[in-house]
Amino acid sequence: KNEVEQSPQNLTAQEGEFITINCSYSVGISALHWLQQHPGGGIVSLFMLSSGKKKHGRLIATINIQEKHSSLHITASHPRDSAVYICAVIGRSNFGNEKLTFGTGTRLTIIP
Amino acid sequence: DAGVIQSPRHEVTEMGQEVTLRCKPISGHNSLFWYRQTMMRGLELLIYFNNNVPIDDSGMPEDRFSAKMPNASFSTLKIQPSEPRDSAVYFCASRHLRQEGETQYFGPGTRLLVL
Repeated sequence: KNEVEQSPQNLTAQEGEFITINCSYSVGISALHWLQQHPGGGIVSLFMLSSGKKKHGRLIATINIQEKHSSLHITASHPRDSAVYICAVIGRSNFGNEKLTFGTGTRLTIIP
Repeated sequence: DAGVIQSPRHEVTEMGQEVTLRCKPISGHNSLFWYRQTMMRGLELLIYFNNNVPIDDSGMPEDRFSAKMPNASFSTLKIQPSEPRDSAVYFCASRHLRQEGETQYFGPGTRLLVL
């Protein structure tokens, strides 16, 4: 079993729909990242969070430390949101160690 | 700011050859990461540096891989000798060390194909 699990693996939705991507992890963490990888391959870090919720434009990320679960939400989805979204965690086992462990990603396709 | 710069963007080489990938982090960033992405294994951390010092190299596949950071503005990842299974996209990323909430900034990647 992977330490970081994402669901769904693939998601296709109509433009304007509300999108939710889930990430569950099995280890204690100090922080969690959400990354976006565009079809061209470039990777952008969207959020880094260790508690609560963060919002940036139409993107919202939440984390529940007790349940070891995070969600990424996209409101009013747009075709340009089509990308692979990757969850990554920093384990809490080694103080100061910033090693990221990655999920396998969720491929999101927004249809006009 | 130009962002994280990687070179070359694409590399095609033959098995057994030495490959050197280069990374220039964002000016002022003092933490640098090398990642590898393949279809089979997804993204994996290979090694990271803080203040030019290697902190965790547990992800480096084997002795054929080596990474250096001679100064704050330059790092290399070397594969010698290269093998077909090394074919992947290699990303470099940088960030401010210990800046609360600071995310990592990724370079465009180097797409390596070993024939």
